[in-house]
Amino acid sequence: GAGVSQSPRYKVAKRGQDVALRCDPISGHVSLFWYQQALGQGPEFLTYFQNEAQLDKSGLPSDRFFAERPEGSVSTLKIQRTQQEDSAVYLCASSLVGSSYNEQFFGPGTRLTVL
Amino acid sequence: QKEVEQNSGPLSVPEGAIASLNCTYSDRGSQSFFWYRQYSGKSPELIMFIYSNGDKEDGRFTAQLNKASQYVSLLIRDSQPSDSATYLCAVNTGFQKLVFGTGTRLLVSP
Repeated sequence: GAGVSQSPRYKVAKRGQDVALRCDPISGHVSLFWYQQALGQGPEFLTYFQNEAQLDKSGLPSDRFFAERPEGSVSTLKIQRTQQEDSAVYLCASSLVGSSYNEQFFGPGTRLTVL
Repeated sequence: QKEVEQNSGPLSVPEGAIASLNCTYSDRGSQSFFWYRQYSGKSPELIMFIYSNGDKEDGRFTAQLNKASQYVSLLIRDSQPSDSATYLCAVNTGFQKLVFGTGTRLLVSP
């Protein structure tokens, strides 16, 4: 594909609902990252996959957050029992290989609003 | 101390001037440095990256890195109103993830 795609672009959830956010990385990109961006802040790292292996989940804010990439391509970020503080833009990025020197390319993001 | 620090701005420059955006980082082991541009309501767009000390030029953009001072900057020559955006500095400390600053808002007035 031409770039990273994410769906849905906007999601409104009632507090306590579960949500699932999807990311489709650039074709052939091995590494996939999830970031959370609050209003007026820079993106903050949540988790990282290399192929299907989740190598770093140190940024996930609580055990309500779960991410998977079962076939090493599409990834899903799931948030259980959403809270108001989960409202943010969730960004997915991919890079060609797992290296500190590889550029990460971002998708358009999913804006989550928890009421 | 935040890992990556940027002045939030806004930085206001007239059209045609040079805009200078600065970033400092705390981890001396940081390996690679990226500048992203983010328009309001959009996602970050990569515009420059630099790995080695010195300058790297790409069109109107120049990235500068000084690892001894833990300082990275972005110069935008001949600034245009379309350059008005938030510029995010991001650092890779060697663990794959990027650590971002809060961004500097640039306003270029016609």
